[in-house]
Amino acid sequence: QKEVEQDPGPLSVPEGAIVSLNCTYSNSAFQYFMWYRQYSRKGPELLMYTYSSGNKEDGRFTAQVDKSSKYISLFIRDSQPSDSATYLCAMSQYGNKLVFGAGTILRVKS
Amino acid sequence: ETGVTQTPRHLVMGMTNKKSLKCEQHLGHNAMYWYKQSAKKPLELMFVYSLEERVENNSVPSRFSPECPNSSHLFLHLHTLQPEDSALYLCASSQDPQYQITGELFFGEGSRLTVL
Repeated sequence: QKEVEQDPGPLSVPEGAIVSLNCTYSNSAFQYFMWYRQYSRKGPELLMYTYSSGNKEDGRFTAQVDKSSKYISLFIRDSQPSDSATYLCAMSQYGNKLVFGAGTILRVKS
Repeated sequence: ETGVTQTPRHLVMGMTNKKSLKCEQHLGHNAMYWYKQSAKKPLELMFVYSLEERVENNSVPSRFSPECPNSSHLFLHLHTLQPEDSALYLCASSQDPQYQITGELFFGEGSRLTVL
């Protein structure tokens, strides 16, 4: 079993849709949860960071962590064609390296 | 130049060649990393340097040889590679090696390597 599972997609949605991206994980010791966005031919960039459980909102983006279910989500409201990218979840426990998911390809059609 | 820059952006090499990838960070960070990104696979951490000292080496084959001459520059020397080494090689930096606490890694655009 992979430590972090992420549906590779591609996920194709119309402009304006609400997008839900998800990751599941097996290591209950993970405390730090991140979402990175990677545009084509670019390196990943940190989008959202959450410590432990709960929600965090930043503009159109909401990150959600459910540690009891070992499940994290990224919601994108009013999706735009410029949101088309690969979204990588990443997580870690204190003192250990980041563990990444394989990424979900998102395509927002105008 | 700002952020993290990597050269070359694309590299094609034969299995007997020797080449190097270069990374430079302009952020004043103390830690630098090499990651391998293959299609549909998670990012794989290869090497971690903190203040020019290697602090992590994730069982990477010896055909990959890192070098960190100072806190701003990182190299990955390549020799006698295999076709399965074809991938995107990403350099990253962080303020310090405790990046995992905030997750804030700053990545370059990567060097796309093809081994024939």
